[in-house]
Amino acid sequence: AQKVTQAQTEISVVEKEDVTLDCVYETRDTTYYLFWYKQPPSGELVFLIRRNSFDEQNEISGRYSWNFQKSTSSFNFTITASQVVDSAVYFCALQGGKLIFGQGTELSVKP
Amino acid sequence: SAVISQKPSRDICQRGTSLTIQCQVDSQVTMMFWYRQQPGQSLTLIATANQGSEATYESGFVIDKFPISRPNLTFSTLTVSNMSPEDSSIYLCSVLLWETGELFFGEGSRLTVL
Repeated sequence: AQKVTQAQTEISVVEKEDVTLDCVYETRDTTYYLFWYKQPPSGELVFLIRRNSFDEQNEISGRYSWNFQKSTSSFNFTITASQVVDSAVYFCALQGGKLIFGQGTELSVKP
Repeated sequence: SAVISQKPSRDICQRGTSLTIQCQVDSQVTMMFWYRQQPGQSLTLIATANQGSEATYESGFVIDKFPISRPNLTFSTLTVSNMSPEDSSIYLCSVLLWETGELFFGEGSRLTVL
């Protein structure tokens, strides 16, 4: 069975702090994809990143970075120098055949 | 990328009635999905909409309650039948672009059942 666990339900930081959102997954598939989505208060889902199971290179995109470690089945997401506009619910998701979402982490960045 | 239009964006319905949500994509896509997001919750996959055949439903979801149609590669509908207040949710259409692997979501249809 596939499962995605985001143990942090809510995180609150002050602007300019770095914050890491954890994601742990379970799957028996050898080929799979991992995603992160952002859902701001307006409700739309914003695609952030897709990573396949054979690519363990860390990725950086501006203030965002992702750390994929197959050995620990984790795909963590770090925001550097957080901003108020980063406040949102962030979902980690796993795709073997279908896409399964974690429960989400609500990030609140205070000025 | 893909642009997804969902209608209606929101609706308020009476218990026992049914509502059909439409999803239109601006390009031909192979895979379309319907998700539900209950208040304060994550997204739960309802079904995969298959073109020209019956949808593939996830555990806990049945065709009688959530009939789905997909007559072509750019359009799908989800009907929420015999609604109860527990069906109050956001229903989202999503499509997968194989070329990039990105999964795009519509803006959702916020349904309130009284």
